[in-house]
Amino acid sequence: DTAVSQTPKYLVTQMGNDKSIKCEQNLGHDTMYWYKQDSKKFLKIMFSYNNKELIINETVPNRFSPKSPDKAHLNLHINSLELGDSAVYFCASSPQTGPNTGELFFGEGSRLTVL
Amino acid sequence: DQQVKQNSPSLSVQEGRISILNCDYTNSMFDYFLWYKKYPAEGPTFLISISSIKDKNEDGRFTVFLNKSAKHLSLHIVPSQPGDSAVYFCAASAAGGYQKVTFGTGTKLQVIP
Repeated sequence: DTAVSQTPKYLVTQMGNDKSIKCEQNLGHDTMYWYKQDSKKFLKIMFSYNNKELIINETVPNRFSPKSPDKAHLNLHINSLELGDSAVYFCASSPQTGPNTGELFFGEGSRLTVL
Repeated sequence: DQQVKQNSPSLSVQEGRISILNCDYTNSMFDYFLWYKKYPAEGPTFLISISSIKDKNEDGRFTVFLNKSAKHLSLHIVPSQPGDSAVYFCAASAAGGYQKVTFGTGTKLQVIP
């Protein structure tokens, strides 16, 4: 029973298209994230939601819009895709209790290729 | 501005020997330091962590050492096993930082049988 699941796992699309990646967690966690791993393998935070409220937005282009319909789901919609958007996108979750100990639970990743 | 740095992109070690992975950080506000392990086509998984008030934390074959004055931490794996072959990410967080976690670029460890 997967704790953090993302769909689709692979996505190949043309420049200019709009696409979405979905994420769901069944851990009962309050906080969810989107991380991007680019070609240099750097894992960089994009967004974080706590109980459906946006709490971290790391200077990501407006073409990226996260949406959290409830605390178990965090989706990522990308408009007007560019070549530089090609990356692996990881969803993660963590319990929002106590100090920020940094322990995250990641999904398997969604590899986006923009042609 | 890369606040967490792993300067060795790869490391090869013989099975049974010690693997030492290194990490440097620049932000003095970090309170927790973590290591994550990642296999191909999977997400990173938490391995071990250490609070900034400690200098060592051990969990089985894995030990993390923290040198705050040098802003340096290391992960020791003893003895190394072929199943340890993976990418290891160093990460750090600040206690009041809304669960934001900053990652390094990873070190690919290969344990040779």
